Parts: sequence; structure tokens; C-alpha cells
Amino acid sequence: DQQVKQNSPSLSVQEGRISILNCDYTNSMFDYFLWYKKYPAEGPTFLISISSIKDKNEDGRFTVFLNKSAKHLSLHIVPSQPGDSAVYFCAASAQKSSGDKLTFGTGTRLAVRP
Amino acid sequence: EPEVTQTPSHQVTQMGQEVILRCVPISNHLYFYWYRQILGQKVEFLVSFYNNEISEKSEIFDDQFSVERPDGSNFTLKIRSTKLEDSAMYFCASSRDNEETQYFGPGTRLLVL
Repeated sequence: DQQVKQNSPSLSVQEGRISILNCDYTNSMFDYFLWYKKYPAEGPTFLISISSIKDKNEDGRFTVFLNKSAKHLSLHIVPSQPGDSAVYFCAASAQKSSGDKLTFGTGTRLAVRP
Repeated sequence: EPEVTQTPSHQVTQMGQEVILRCVPISNHLYFYWYRQILGQKVEFLVSFYNNEISEKSEIFDDQFSVERPDGSNFTLKIRSTKLEDSAMYFCASSRDNEETQYFGPGTRLLVL
């Protein structure tokens, strides 16, 4: 039951260029979406989130776009840096307050080439 | 910056043994969670905990699992009789009231032999 899907298992980008990571979801009840970054043998680190009432949220080099009608979100990293190389997870929750579980995608491994 | 901490970082145990994984959530957070990630698979929700009781649990969280907040700072996950398929990374997370972002600890790698 893959309610959150990341169809690209890996992505390779040149340093300085844009990285675009994609995520699709099927559950219409999801109303809050998050991106986490994960290094090997570490826990997921929160990057950026977006509520379903918005279509864009920006934080420094990271921007998340949400297309509710398509049930699709994307994370843009501009410019990409070698330190951004990690696995990126999309996650979603279905409650407008805290306490709800997160449903994760399978992750996309980003490699930024110097 | 406050962080979620977890101990031990690694645990090796024999099948059938009990293990307790420990977590110290961020101090002003009220919601606590356990997730796990089997090697090569996605992060899966196990259980959420609020106000000293379980809020929600997944199908994975069967009678072999239990959670406890024994004092004002620790949050534990106990597996009573471990199975080979319990081998995974276990992540603790916490969140504030009225905020959906969950902050994760570094994880405990559990290996059941």
C-alpha cells in the first residue's frame, strides 16, 4: 500500500545546478507534507514542509512545490552542493494538528558531483 | 539546538530475547513516536504516544511491542521476544503541540541473530 511514492530511486546532478526531487501521493486525506534528508547510519533530518493550503514554500536553497490536483510535490535545491548528497524522503500526514503519523516514501538518493 | 537522543546506537541480541530501546525526546515536546526502517525499505510508523497513552499504532506493533514513558524525560520501546524480522533501524521522534513537524533521533540499529 504505497500511499506516498518516490519513483526515482536515484538522481545525479552537477554541483551548482538545480536538483528536483519528486513525490506523488494517493491519499486525499493528506494535508501536510515534509521533506527529510538522511545520511547513512543517521536519523532523518527535517528540511522543509508545506501545508495543503499553500502551493509553495521556500527556505534558502530549498523550495517545495505542491500541486494538490495532481497529488504531486517536488523539492527543488538550488544551487546543489556536494554536501547535499544524501537520501531524501518525502513524508505526509493527514491531520491538521500534531500527533498524526507520518507516511514515508521510499526515498531518492541524490548525488551531487563536484 | 535541542535534539532527540537514542541509546544504544547498536544492539545485537539473540532471537527470543527482550530488548529495550531508549529515547530522550526534545524537552518541550508532547508527542512521541517510534518508527523503524528495515534495510533497503522505507521508514514505517510503529506507534505514537501522547499524554501517557498510545494514540495510534500500526499493524506491526503487535503484542510483542510496548512503549513506556517511565519518567519525565525517557521514552522506551520494548520488544518482549525478538524475532529475526525485527532486525531494523528504530527511530524515535517527537513533536510539539500544534505542530506537525516531527524531529527524529539518530536511531538504534537492532540485529537479531
